[in-house]
Amino acid sequence: KNEVEQSPQNLTAQEGEFITINCSYSVGISALHWLQQHPGGGIVSLFMLSSGKKKHGRLIATINIQEKHSSLHITASHPRDSAVYICAVVSDSNYQLIWGAGTKLIIKP
Amino acid sequence: DAGITQSPRHKVTETGTPVTLRCHQTENHRYMYWYRQDPGHGLRLIHYSYGVKDTDKGEVSDGYSVSRSKTEDFLLTLESATSSQTSVYFCAISARTSGRGEQFFGPGTRLTVL
Repeated sequence: KNEVEQSPQNLTAQEGEFITINCSYSVGISALHWLQQHPGGGIVSLFMLSSGKKKHGRLIATINIQEKHSSLHITASHPRDSAVYICAVVSDSNYQLIWGAGTKLIIKP
Repeated sequence: DAGITQSPRHKVTETGTPVTLRCHQTENHRYMYWYRQDPGHGLRLIHYSYGVKDTDKGEVSDGYSVSRSKTEDFLLTLESATSSQTSVYFCAISARTSGRGEQFFGPGTRLTVL
């Protein structure tokens, strides 16, 4: 079993829909990282969080440390949100990132 | 955006030739990382550095070496490139303050080994 599991693997939605991507982990962490990668593009850091919730524009990230679970939400989704969203946790033993496999999101106009 | 550049951005080379990829940062961050990204595998750590001349292996270090003679530069060398090293290579940096370890990524280098 992978230490970081993301769901769903693939998600297709219509423009305007509310999107939720989930990340569960089984190791001790000091923080959790959400990143975005567009096709053929670089990797952009969206959020780093260790508790509670963070919001940036239409993106919201939450984390529940007790349940070892995080969610990334996108409100009023837009075709430009189409990308791969990656969850990575910072191991509290060696501070290395442990990566999820990513969620490929497609938003149709 | 964090000041990270990678060079070259694209390279095609032949099996058995040496290849060096360069990562340059202007943020003065202590930690630097090399990852490779392949379909079906996500990002995998090759090597990382925690200071000048201080480096350590990641999970897929075989066939790769690194050097860091200055804070701003981290070089990844394939001594004798193989087709299995065809991949997209990303460099990342981190200040790793307070143990949170947020990493910022360079634009990537697409390497093709024929």
